[in-house]
Parts: sequence; structure tokens; C-alpha cells
Amino acid sequence: NAGVTQTPKFQVLKTGQSMTLQCAQDMNHNSMYWYRQDPGMGLRLIYYSASEGTTDKGEVPNGYNVSRLNKREFSLRLESAAPSQTSVYFCASSESTGPGYEQYFGPGTRLTVT
Amino acid sequence: KQEVTQIPAALSVPEGENLVLNCSFTDSAIYNLQWFRQDPGKGLTSLLLIQSSQREQTSGRLNASLDKSSGRSTLYIAASQPGDSATYLCAVTGNQFYFGTGTSLTVIP
Repeated sequence: NAGVTQTPKFQVLKTGQSMTLQCAQDMNHNSMYWYRQDPGMGLRLIYYSASEGTTDKGEVPNGYNVSRLNKREFSLRLESAAPSQTSVYFCASSESTGPGYEQYFGPGTRLTVT
Repeated sequence: KQEVTQIPAALSVPEGENLVLNCSFTDSAIYNLQWFRQDPGKGLTSLLLIQSSQREQTSGRLNASLDKSSGRSTLYIAASQPGDSATYLCAVTGNQFYFGTGTSLTVIP
């Protein structure tokens, strides 16, 4: 099992450009998540999908959109990138959002917006 | 809004020492608390998950405790090794998901 995979690993964008970060999991998990990690801020939840066909906002959703393409895949889109979106982005998955379910993380995408 | 704090931010200990990492949270209405390890430039690896009804969990040299009423969790690492050097993060799950900023641990050979 590959677990949670993310592409790309690194990306540099100019302000105003758009891009989509891809995430896939092969653990048959129902729930998937997107976080960003910034120095001194810890990880903050951007969006999550409790199950296929549903998405909900997290703590910092502004400037992002998500798509739960199927049970395996959950993508994060930046429509018009801003320097404030320079960060490391992590995708995670779990069997469910309820209590007792561990989250499993991908390796991250390092995004720089100039 | 839930606030999760980890103290200290950084810790350096000699090999073989037992150590305790702390995590505190402001809202006790949580489903569970999870401890992670993050190596530089890498993703997060789950270490232990404690459900809200549990008091502690153990895995090898690691023991995590949870006191919901006081909003605290501790991660105890026994007989530390250089390979334990990493950043340790705690996360609480309630109606949303909140992470602490982590404790950076260095174990000196």
C-alpha cells in the first residue's frame, strides 16, 4: 500500500496563477483532509470531506476550492495564488471523522508563490 | 475556538534520558487526541491515538496520557535515542481538527 500520495512535491507559482494539488489514498478511507503548515502556526485545516460527495470548510478556507473526485481522490485548487499561500500543504485521510479514527498523512507539497 | 499549546517549543536531552512532552487544550469537548512525529521535510507519522473515554495508550517506549477535565495530555518517551530526534505534534479532534505547534526534540548521543 502506498498510503496517501500527493503531487507535485514542489511547486513555484507567480502571483495570480492557478494550480491544483492532487491527493490520493489507497486505504479505502471515507474521510479526507487538506491542511497547510506554516512556521509558528502549526497545521491548520483548510477543507475536509467526511465522505464521498461531501466537502466542508475548515479553519482557513479562503482562497481555496476542493473537489472530492471519488472515494480515493481529493484535490485542492488555488484559483489565483497569492504570496500568503506560500506554505507546505498536507493531505490526510481517515476511516471516518468520528472518534477513534487515526489520520494518515501524505508527504506534503511545498508551494512557493512569488 | 479550540487552542492547542505545546510546551516546551524545543528540548535537548542526552541519550538514555526519560522525557515528557506536554500538550494542553482549551475546550474539553473532544473526541480524541492524537500524537504525531514529523521528521524534517517529511509528513506526519501517527504515534498514538487516545479516545476521549481513555486515560492512556502505550506503544513500545511511548506512553501518552489524557486528562480531559484539565485539558492536558503528556507524551512520555522512555530511554530516549538519537533516532527519536524529530518534532512531536499533538492534535485534538472535536467538531473540527486542531494541531499544536509542536515540540522539537533533539537527543544528543
